[in-house]
Amino acid sequence: GAGVSQSPSNKVTEKGKDVELRCDPISGHTALYWYRQSLGQGLEFLIYFQGNSAPDKSGLPSDRFSAERTGGSVSTLTIQRTQQEDSAVYLCASTLSGGDYGYTFGSGTRLTVV
Amino acid sequence: QKEVEQNSGPLSVPEGAIASLNCTYSDRGSQSFFWYRQYSGKSPELIMSIYSNGDKEDGRFTAQLNKASQYVSLLIRDSQPSDSATYLCAVNQPTDYKLSFGAGTTVTVRA
Repeated sequence: GAGVSQSPSNKVTEKGKDVELRCDPISGHTALYWYRQSLGQGLEFLIYFQGNSAPDKSGLPSDRFSAERTGGSVSTLTIQRTQQEDSAVYLCASTLSGGDYGYTFGSGTRLTVV
Repeated sequence: QKEVEQNSGPLSVPEGAIASLNCTYSDRGSQSFFWYRQYSGKSPELIMSIYSNGDKEDGRFTAQLNKASQYVSLLIRDSQPSDSATYLCAVNQPTDYKLSFGAGTTVTVRA
């Protein structure tokens, strides 16, 4: 597509429920990143994909968080047993390859855990 | 030491003035440098990239890079109220394929 598409744009969920966040990167972009941004804070790196593999999962905050990417395209970030501290904007970005090129960010998913 | 540090804000400038944003980085091997603009409630948008020492101009924006000093800056000339946003400096990490982001500098342009 023309840009990075994320869905849903907003998600309100009850504490303890599981959520899935979706990212559809720019066609041809092999690298895909997930970041989290809490209100008024900077970008917190979560996970990086090159193709379908995830060489760097170092930013995932706990084992409740997981992500996958299929077909070198769409990625899903899953949060199990959501907690209130998971409330944030989850941003996906894609780029041609690694960090040599700037990322293009999606518009984000605002997750609110009540 | 943080990988990317930006001058603390917020930065308030009058309309028409020059806003100067600074960023330092720790990895001498970094080769790619970017500035992102993030409006409140929106996602970051890439506005400038620079790869070589010196200045790069794009409209009212000028990025400056000095690899010897590990320093990159962004100048916004003739600042407009629409430039009010948070500006993020990003630097590639050559060993791990991802960008490191600074915490951002919030700029407010006073009409």
